[in-house]
Amino acid sequence: SQTIHQWPATLVQPVGSPLSLECTVEGTSNPNLYWYRQAAGRGLQLLFYSVGIGQISSEVPQNLSASRPQDRQFILSSKKLLLSDSGFYLCAWSGNQETQYFGPGTRLLVL
Amino acid sequence: DAKTTQPPSMDCAEGRAANLPCNHSTISGNEYVYWYRQIHSQGPQYIIHGLKNNETNEMASLIITEDRKSSTLILPHATLRDTAVYYCIVIDFTGNQFYFGTGTSLTVIP
Repeated sequence: SQTIHQWPATLVQPVGSPLSLECTVEGTSNPNLYWYRQAAGRGLQLLFYSVGIGQISSEVPQNLSASRPQDRQFILSSKKLLLSDSGFYLCAWSGNQETQYFGPGTRLLVL
Repeated sequence: DAKTTQPPSMDCAEGRAANLPCNHSTISGNEYVYWYRQIHSQGPQYIIHGLKNNETNEMASLIITEDRKSSTLILPHATLRDTAVYYCIVIDFTGNQFYFGTGTSLTVIP
């Protein structure tokens, strides 16, 4: 069966520091991968999606970036965090069936 | 993708059916209706999806109106563990993106 992992589960970072969040999927090959952010009290916002290695589409302009160095690995990064980057970051995958399945999320607090 | 409208919150008595409505009046013919739920501090969980016909699985039933402009998610016997935010999404699978709104916060009351 397929599983999706995210780490870390929780992260507290100072403003201006770099960020790297990792997402990996097991049990499937060539998945579509997605990064979402959920700010407090708001719905989910799609940030990036990828249909293959090295292929990244950005949905919103921001100081975040994404990379897909391996088929089942998706990384969300920032060179300098802003206070507004705080939130709950979710990775998701989909296969031939277009249903998306979500990971457990990373809660990021920027101070 | 079409937008959806959901009530911000609902209550349901434990053991009763929870009926969560969703309006998607601008839905197009090739767009599916998807439902997810998110329990606090967890990732969204897939519940059910449909195109035209009503659907049922082990978690819920999805009733789609004949004109497809609205749908209802039914949890037949709500339990306390069903307390969550429920998201109704419509998506055209020529693309890959899911756009989540703010959903309906369902509280199941003992």
